[in-house]
Amino acid sequence: DIQMTQSPSSLSASVGDRVTITCRASQGIRSSLAWYQQKPGKAPKLLVYITSRLESGVPARFSGSGSGTDFTLTISSLQPEDFATYFCQQYYTTPLTFGGGTKVEIK
Amino acid sequence: QVQLVESGGGVAQPGRSLRLSCAASGITFSSYGMHWVRQAPGKGLEWVAVILYDGSNKYADSVKGRFTISRDNSKNTLYLQMNSLRGEDTAVYYCAKGTYGGSDSRFDGWGHGTLVTVSS
Repeated sequence: DIQMTQSPSSLSASVGDRVTITCRASQGIRSSLAWYQQKPGKAPKLLVYITSRLESGVPARFSGSGSGTDFTLTISSLQPEDFATYFCQQYYTTPLTFGGGTKVEIK
Repeated sequence: QVQLVESGGGVAQPGRSLRLSCAASGITFSSYGMHWVRQAPGKGLEWVAVILYDGSNKYADSVKGRFTISRDNSKNTLYLQMNSLRGEDTAVYYCAKGTYGGSDSRFDGWGHGTLVTVSS
């Protein structure tokens, strides 16, 4: 199985900050990497797919990059509605696997 | 706009069974791989199973042999039959839509989730 290691597990940031979350795959997954945002009590929401493509309606302050085994989600200027938990997911092969999550909290 | 509505969650004793359903609308249901993803309380996301457009399926090792995924394309409904339930199966179960008919997919539609609690 492909293990997805996400870091940090949590971070505190202020509105307007630039935030970077990383995800490392235990083997190469090409560009088959997605990012999700989840707010408490809600289902995850797809933000980014194929490593760097924004899902329709996702603000341009979100961006994704990377390839192979190392990937990054960046929020260029954190907004109040961005405080949430973020998960990466590889869909290169089954079993599909997720990172452990990064909780973005208000500083 | 895809809409996925799960039902069937509840409390079950260890060793017993539950069947979850997921009613889909707004999509050509039969064209897509459909997945179950679960989240234990306060934990991360775990993929459970997928059923492809052709009816074939794949499972996580943690549920293989105990859970069965199925679909009824005439009713636009996805199912998860969960047998021999264990405490570690306690989670919110989400129905999730793949982006094509195969298994290796991101999820571009999610239900609201249904809580399954396994406890004596």
